[in-house]
Amino acid sequence: SQQGEEDPQALSIQEGENATMNCSYKTSINNLQWYRQNSGRGLVHLILIRSNEREKHSGRLRVTLDTSKKSSSLLITASRAADTASYFCATETSGSRLTFGEGTQLTVNP
Amino acid sequence: DGGITQSPKYLFRKEGQNVTLSCEQNLNHDAMYWYRQDPGQGLRLIYYSQIVNDFQKGDIAEGYSVSREKKESFPLTVTSAQKNPTAFYLCASKLKTGVSGQPQHFGDGTRLSIL
Repeated sequence: SQQGEEDPQALSIQEGENATMNCSYKTSINNLQWYRQNSGRGLVHLILIRSNEREKHSGRLRVTLDTSKKSSSLLITASRAADTASYFCATETSGSRLTFGEGTQLTVNP
Repeated sequence: DGGITQSPKYLFRKEGQNVTLSCEQNLNHDAMYWYRQDPGQGLRLIYYSQIVNDFQKGDIAEGYSVSREKKESFPLTVTSAQKNPTAFYLCASKLKTGVSGQPQHFGDGTRLSIL
């Protein structure tokens, strides 16, 4: 079953703008992870936020987690054309498996 | 360089045929996973293995089979019982079994189509 729902399904912005993607989930989690997928390729891990954390940064990425609302957001600042990809959230409730959302397709126009 | 290698990149299946997708990792990871991705959708878990000679069904295991005879290898067989096998198949691994908070590492996928 798909625990994560992502919003929006697709996002198109201009280079230099910020991109925000949201993820909602249904059950309690240990952590939430964000992955990136370039067209026709495998997923690449971007950032992980644990259930006791509220915000985390990595370079141009900022992730927030609100466990009371069961939601997370991924912010990409100063976007570049190379950021064009699909972005997926994934939740981990035990140490054995992840449950992925449907993804947000981000297009950054030069 | 360590990583996960999936082969072949493209695969075609005839009606009634079983096909096997290869997944090999040299990361010394304990856990391995197989996912199916349909166009414009997220990943759905087919099977996963936390240790050699053991594996568990995921959410969509029907029509698929796996084996884990070696730590490095986790092949997936798409059987003739899988009536809609056309999809992008992704293999992943994780360092330690049963430990939360570790990322999964992915191969570059196999695209399977019906002839």
